[in-house]
Amino acid sequence: SQQGEEDPQALSIQEGENATMNCSYKTSINNLQWYRQNSGRGLVHLILIRSNEREKHSGRLRVTLDTSKKSSSLLITASRAADTASYFCFIEGTSYDKVIFGPGTSLSVIP
Amino acid sequence: SQTIHQWPATLVQPVGSPLSLECTVEGTSNPNLYWYRQAAGRGLQLLFYSVGIGQISSEVPQNLSASRPQDRQFILSSKKLLLSDSGFYLCACGQVRVNTEAFFGQGTRLTVV
Repeated sequence: SQQGEEDPQALSIQEGENATMNCSYKTSINNLQWYRQNSGRGLVHLILIRSNEREKHSGRLRVTLDTSKKSSSLLITASRAADTASYFCFIEGTSYDKVIFGPGTSLSVIP
Repeated sequence: SQTIHQWPATLVQPVGSPLSLECTVEGTSNPNLYWYRQAAGRGLQLLFYSVGIGQISSEVPQNLSASRPQDRQFILSSKKLLLSDSGFYLCACGQVRVNTEAFFGQGTRLTVV
C-alpha cells in the first residue's frame, strides 16, 4: 500500500511555538504534498516537494524530504491560532496513477 | 489554472435513496480524477480514481459507484444510500508525473438519515 502515515495524529501547542508534523510512506514517489483542512472543509495546498528536493520553504512553513527514510516533515514556525487545522501529506507514487493521503495530524494552537 | 466544481455543498438524504454527486474540472485536459471520503474526525480515504473517460478503478468495496462520462466530469453515485455512507466527499484532480499540485473541490457533506 502507498498509504502515508502522519504523526503525531494530534498536536496541541501554545501560540508562538513551533509545530512539527511527520509523514512516512512505503513506496517510491514523484512528489509529496502537504495540505491543510479547516474544520472538515476543503483542502488547501501548502507545499509540494519533489523527490529530488530535500527542503522547501514557504513563509512560516518548512518542509523536508528524506527519500532514503521515506519520510517528510512539515514545520510551522511561530504558530498562530489560525494555524489550527488538520494537516495531511499527499503522496504521488511512481507506480500508480493515483495519489494517497495519510490519516492527518490535527493541530490545535492555543492562544 | 485548474478549477474544480463540486456540488452540492451539503446534502441530507434518507436511507435507501439514490445519490449523485457531480464534479467537473476546468483548465486542464485528460486529468486524473479522484473521489475521496472523510468520515467524521478521520482521514481521507480514496474511493475511486479515473485516468480517462470510462476508466474507473475502485479502491474499496462499498455501496458506491463512479462514472466518468466526459473527460472533465466525474460522478459519484449510489442506488441506495446507507447510514454508513454519511461523510465528507471530496473530488480531486491531478496530473500524475507532472509534479504539480492536486486540486480539490470544496467538498460535499452528506448526511444520511
